[in-house]
Amino acid sequence: DGGITQSPKYLFRKEGQNVTLSCEQNLNHDAMYWYRQDPGQGLRLIYYSQIVNDFQKGDIAEGYSVSREKKESFPLTVTSAQKNPTAFYLCASTGTGSNYGYTFGSGTRLTVV
Amino acid sequence: SQQGEEDPQALSIQEGENATMNCSYKTSINNLQWYRQNSGRGLVHLILIRSNEREKHSGRLRVTLDTSKKSSSLLITASRAADTASYFCATPVGNTPLVFGKGTRLSVIA
Repeated sequence: DGGITQSPKYLFRKEGQNVTLSCEQNLNHDAMYWYRQDPGQGLRLIYYSQIVNDFQKGDIAEGYSVSREKKESFPLTVTSAQKNPTAFYLCASTGTGSNYGYTFGSGTRLTVV
Repeated sequence: SQQGEEDPQALSIQEGENATMNCSYKTSINNLQWYRQNSGRGLVHLILIRSNEREKHSGRLRVTLDTSKKSSSLLITASRAADTASYFCATPVGNTPLVFGKGTRLSVIA
């Protein structure tokens, strides 16, 4: 079955540590996205990529980094520069053009310990 | 950069009743999309309505779009306990990714 897989489901980060969240899709989608969701809030865009080897900053990119070396994969690194990383992180993908819905992964819940 | 804003923030109804959620947005759009999110899960795409459409149906869902008022509504008919979730509207702003509202939390009581 085609879909988008995020791992791990839960992640704990110590102060000053970098952690990487995985996002893989087998939908042959060109575009991929990372959103952050805080409790009771909507989604805020961190980074997005519309083609391999290219990506753009979203509204809250500071303290995060991404790579897009393969069409299927769009990992997100939460760096030590991100001072308040505890949140629910959602990865999504879609086909080319704006008239397509997004397919979301099941999310990664990151907690600072 | 907030584009869509849902109303009400929370809604509680009895099973079998209809649920109506509204979304207002600020700028011109190509389309408007509705998503559902069960607690602790990812979002699921429900329906996309294009700017030249006024109404769209999918099963028990009915979406309307009024571009003159920059608003949309999502109606869920004959609601079930399984419809309990948060519902978000989202629009692409130009060629940028989807911008989501804060959502409406729907509780359907059996």
